[in-house]
Amino acid sequence: QVQLQESGPGLVKPSGTLSLTCDVSGVSITSNNWWIWVRQPPGKGLEWIGEIHHSGSTNYTPSLKSRVTISVDRSKNQFSLTLNSVTAADTAVYYCARDGAGVRAIPYWGQGTLVTVSS
Amino acid sequence: DIQMTQSPSSLSASVGDRVTITCRASQSIDRYLHWYQQKPGKAPKVLIYAASTLQSDVPSRFSGSGSGTDFTLTISNLQPEDFATYSCQQSYSTPRSFGQGTKVEIK
Repeated sequence: QVQLQESGPGLVKPSGTLSLTCDVSGVSITSNNWWIWVRQPPGKGLEWIGEIHHSGSTNYTPSLKSRVTISVDRSKNQFSLTLNSVTAADTAVYYCARDGAGVRAIPYWGQGTLVTVSS
Repeated sequence: DIQMTQSPSSLSASVGDRVTITCRASQSIDRYLHWYQQKPGKAPKVLIYAASTLQSDVPSRFSGSGSGTDFTLTISNLQPEDFATYSCQQSYSTPRSFGQGTKVEIK
């Protein structure tokens, strides 16, 4: 079955770069699906960050587009999130996920990882 | 961008109650609307996709309806394990936005 696992630093300094990786198991990252990042600030709702297809096509939410990059590493069966120039507002639980076929709901999620932006 | 607005933001209900949560899109999204349940410290879980299709292994007391801009999630016969936060999401266009969530609490 599809399994996703986030990894990366739990603490990032303000103005620094947040980098997370999602290890994918149970399915090839070259499957015809989109690989997604979602975040959730403490006590707040879910925010869709962006998505990538193994072909390299990406979509990002406009409010983060200037600071975010999502990439795929086919050799490692993983995908990554990079967010530059972080502030305290970027403190959140970050989830990696994969969409389903057809109408593209999100049935597969990682467990989430808390990233705190603080000096 | 499409904005998703849920109501109410929170509600209190008792076991056995019927609960209705609404989600409105700022423009038509056809039936590209999905509902998620999230419990504290856990990842969201999809309950309903394409507005009204029940995800496998989800109890039949959950149901969804709507199309275009207005959607509803109904939980009939509320059970103790249903106390959680429910969020809608549209996948009609990017960014694939979520509603702000509705917290269902025990009365």
